[in-house]
Order: sequence, then structure tokens, then C-alpha cells
Amino acid sequence: DADVTQTPRNRITKTGKRIMLECSQTKGHDRMYWYRQDPGLGLRLIYYSFDVKDINKGEISDGYSVSRQAQAKFSLSLESAIPNQTALYFCATSDTGTGGIDTQYFGPGTRLTVL
Amino acid sequence: AQSVSQHNHHVILSEAASLELGCNYSYGGTVNLFWYVQYPGQHLQLLLKYFSGDPLVKGIKGFEAEFIKSKFSFNLRKPSVQWSDTAEYFCAVSNDYKLSFGAGTTVTVRA
Repeated sequence: DADVTQTPRNRITKTGKRIMLECSQTKGHDRMYWYRQDPGLGLRLIYYSFDVKDINKGEISDGYSVSRQAQAKFSLSLESAIPNQTALYFCATSDTGTGGIDTQYFGPGTRLTVL
Repeated sequence: AQSVSQHNHHVILSEAASLELGCNYSYGGTVNLFWYVQYPGQHLQLLLKYFSGDPLVKGIKGFEAEFIKSKFSFNLRKPSVQWSDTAEYFCAVSNDYKLSFGAGTTVTVRA
């Protein structure tokens, strides 16, 4: 979905390096999310943000940090990358739909390899 | 915490065969249910969703799913698959606006 973009799309880095993954959206949604996808594990939530001043840890936040620079931008950082952070990372957005129910829309993903 | 279980890791079938993918969740409260599809090399796309009302929901590309509250299930079905349905399918459950995903089922449709 072109409304949610992620950069870079692919990245290879070395253990110990700091890396930032960026997500931008033009959908005008307040809520943004970062997930990682690993084979056989589905998607797991890393961090989420319901508005610019709201940041919340997901189920696997250790080793990651985020920044919500604006409503449209949500960045994920790995301060010191390690090999088990090799995964496919997805950004998603949502807004409050009817009755407070929202649907999430996903970006194209960033494939990160940590050597 | 809620969890989502998808029964099949990999399903292989021929074109025109019927497809049913199982999904069970563990959460006693009100939940919203989703099926997402990920075609090879692409991002996740919403197939269908259930919030309330008719437990049989229809989605895109001929897919449907049935919510059975007593069984905590939300199984996905398609009467006749096509080669282009080859993809990974994820069941997801949300409450409190956060999604929990199943591990996914890879579906391979042979021509």
C-alpha cells in the first residue's frame, strides 16, 4: 500500500551497529505500529504509538527504541544490532473506526540482516 | 494475554480445490478478528474482518470466514482456489487496539 512507506527496503549491517528504520504514512492515521516477522512466529508487536506524544512497548521491545517525530512518521532504532534481530520489519497504521474499532494497514516491509 | 493459533503450517492443494484454514484464539472478552494475506514478496493485505453482527463475513477475492464464538474460532474458507491464491495467511485478533497474530499458514496452490 503506497500510503505507508518504509525505508530502507533492505539493509545488511554488522553486529553492534546502530540502525534506524523509517516509516511514513499519508493516510492521516493517528496510530502507528512496528512489528517484526520471523518464520513460524507470525508478526510480533515491538512498539506502538497512538499519537505523537504516546509511545508504548509491545511484546518484544527489548533492544529497540522508537521515535514519533510527527503524526506521519514513526522510526524504529536498533541501538546495537545483534544477529537475532535479523527479520522482516513492518510498520502499520490505523485510525479509530466505527465504534472505536480500527483496521491496521501495513507498509511493504524492511528486510534487515545483522551479520 | 491473548494468543492466536493457526492449525496448519503449510497447505498444498490443486486449483479448484476448496480451502479451509483454521484459527483459534484464547481470550474471553470481546475481540475483533482479522485475516490478512501476504503474497510472495509483498506486504500484508487485509482479506476480511469481523467486528460484530453476522458471524459469516465475506472478504475480497472470494474468501469468507465464520466466527464461532463458542469455539473461539474464526476459520477462513474459499470454495475454489486459484494459483494466484498462493500466499501466507495470517489470522489476527485485536482487543485494546493491538493485534496479536497467529504464526501463519503457507498455502501453495498447484496448477
